[in-house]
Amino acid sequence: EPEVTQTPSHQVTQMGQEVILRCVPISNHLYFYWYRQILGQKVEFLVSFYNNEISEKSEIFDDQFSVERPDGSNFTLKIRSTKLEDSAMYFCASSGLSGLYGYTFGSGTRLTVV
Amino acid sequence: KNQVEQSPQSLIILEGKNCTLQCNYTVSPFSNLRWYKQDTGRGPVSLTIMTFSENTKSNGRYTATLDADTKQSSLHITASQLSDSASYICVVSADNTDKLIFGTGTRLQVFP
Repeated sequence: EPEVTQTPSHQVTQMGQEVILRCVPISNHLYFYWYRQILGQKVEFLVSFYNNEISEKSEIFDDQFSVERPDGSNFTLKIRSTKLEDSAMYFCASSGLSGLYGYTFGSGTRLTVV
Repeated sequence: KNQVEQSPQSLIILEGKNCTLQCNYTVSPFSNLRWYKQDTGRGPVSLTIMTFSENTKSNGRYTATLDADTKQSSLHITASQLSDSASYICVVSADNTDKLIFGTGTRLQVFP
């Protein structure tokens, strides 16, 4: 069964550093997403990406964050100048043409900011 | 404000027993409702998805119901197994967006 692959599974970074979280969506999917889950809280939407541009973003997704699809297969989330409160699980997801079906999540990257 | 509420927050049952989890939502305009299973430290895995016109959907031992009038859904798990221990999350999507709105989940523990 097709999977969304995320790397690394765990990233530790110092406060103020930049991190890039990587995702390989399912190959024939067209919509890509990032969500995050702070420990003990619910999963929250960050951003959706379609046709090489951001289609929707939440208020969490401020100038500290950016996304990119650099080579047609990878989908990345960059967090600049990380803060302690950025510590969370970050999930990448992708979905098919309509966005309704095939909405598949990766296993996540646990980001720890120290 | 679009919200998804779930109950109970946690549930303990014995292996082989059935259980029912509840979800209430205020998302509008409603597009679809999904139930996901999330193991600790893992990504959510889809169990069922229902649109406005569907009021029940099964996936093996999982059966979801939807009442779009009262904006309620339930997930019934039959003959529970130890591997069912996980968080079960109700997720709703509005009609004008692809983003998913997650509930806080029900933490289910199945004991032998």
